[in-house]
Amino acid sequence: DAGITQSPRYKITETGRQVTLMCHQTWSHSYMFWYRQDLGHGLRLIYYSAAADITDKGEVPDGYVVSRSKTENFPLTLESATRSQTSVYFCASREDRNYGYTFGSGTRLTVV
Amino acid sequence: QKEVEQDPGPLSVPEGAIVSLNCTYSNSAFQYFMWYRQYSRKGPELLMYTYSSGNKEDGRFTAQVDKSSKYISLFIRDSQPSDSATYLCAMKRTGTASKLTFGTGTRLQVTL
Repeated sequence: DAGITQSPRYKITETGRQVTLMCHQTWSHSYMFWYRQDLGHGLRLIYYSAAADITDKGEVPDGYVVSRSKTENFPLTLESATRSQTSVYFCASREDRNYGYTFGSGTRLTVV
Repeated sequence: QKEVEQDPGPLSVPEGAIVSLNCTYSNSAFQYFMWYRQYSRKGPELLMYTYSSGNKEDGRFTAQVDKSSKYISLFIRDSQPSDSATYLCAMKRTGTASKLTFGTGTRLQVTL
């Protein structure tokens, strides 16, 4: 199916563990983004990527790592999870000239 | 002060009412304005997209941009229970590298 898929949909992990959230898009969009959504803060940009092997920090990058070896995949890794990283994480993509983003369905992460 | 301000609501209206959702912003460099709709436990989906000032209509939805006042609005006519969702405004500057800045979202409930 065409689109942008995130996995897992739900994840519970313990403080200090490493966890990776996956994002896959089928359109070959150049730009991909990772956001976290928290009550009172809305959507905040963690990292983004303009193309394979090109990534850059967003508004709240601390504690997160990304990679983009292939255009279609953009995984987000929490190196040592903390309770403050409990959130809903959204991946998004867009074409070069299309300013509208397409979002995945999100990953609800709980750090205990 | 946040670059984009949006009343979080909740806003409750009866079915058939006209709904007005608003955002204010402080960065005069914003040129592209969007509205996203987000249903519970789903990712945001692009609803309306406008460039610079003026109105844009799509069915029951009208997006309005007033750059002189740094104010954007989304009007929903003949609101339906299926319109119950959180509505997020988003905006960006020119340039493909420029990223979206989101409001925190307004939760709308349309009652029977």
